[in-house]
Amino acid sequence: DVKVTQSSRYLVKRTGEKVFLECVQDMDHENMFWYRQDPGLGLRLIYFSYDVKMKEKGDIPEGYSVSREKKERFSLILESASTNQTSMYLCASSGRPGQEYEQYFGPGTRLTVT
Amino acid sequence: AQKITQTQPGMFVQEKEAVTLDCTYDTSDPSYGLFWYKQPSSGEMIFLIYQGSYDQQNATEGRYSLNFQKARKSANLVISASQLGDSAMYFCAMREREKSSGDKLTFGTGTRLAVRP
Repeated sequence: DVKVTQSSRYLVKRTGEKVFLECVQDMDHENMFWYRQDPGLGLRLIYFSYDVKMKEKGDIPEGYSVSREKKERFSLILESASTNQTSMYLCASSGRPGQEYEQYFGPGTRLTVT
Repeated sequence: AQKITQTQPGMFVQEKEAVTLDCTYDTSDPSYGLFWYKQPSSGEMIFLIYQGSYDQQNATEGRYSLNFQKARKSANLVISASQLGDSAMYFCAMREREKSSGDKLTFGTGTRLAVRP
């Protein structure tokens, strides 16, 4: 079974702190994604990556950056956390041969910025 | 403009009955894919069903079927014989093959389904 894990289920940070959200997948997937989920807005894509050291902006990249130094790991970075970044963050990966379209999600990290 | 529209924020269904969750989409790409995901209260996103734009038949997976009407740009999810465990948030999503975006997904705002015993 594909496994996508995220470093924390719940996180509380202060305004202005630098925050790292880690995501690891164990299926050698090429593609990895970071979304945020807010009530009434669904999931919105922040950044995605199709290869190591490669990244592309999604729909709402402002205030975020990412890092992909290894194929299995995709990190989301909030350089200076703000209260409007309080949200649920979901990581996903895809790329299983024959089912490249299917995205597998991690359990999510609920981030609160105070 | 919304690419994926789910007009039902919440729905109720009686256990053992069928329910249809609506999804309409907007794209000019001739090659696209439509997905449904389930998100229980625990938070994980569970892939349910996929329909490709060139697929001739409607997709089915167990109790889930996708009512794909290409001309109307709708991709409704039908759940037959509802179970209490079907209570969850359901998201419709679309993949478009545009330039380098590969399999980037765009999600709707979701429909919360509650199954009554």
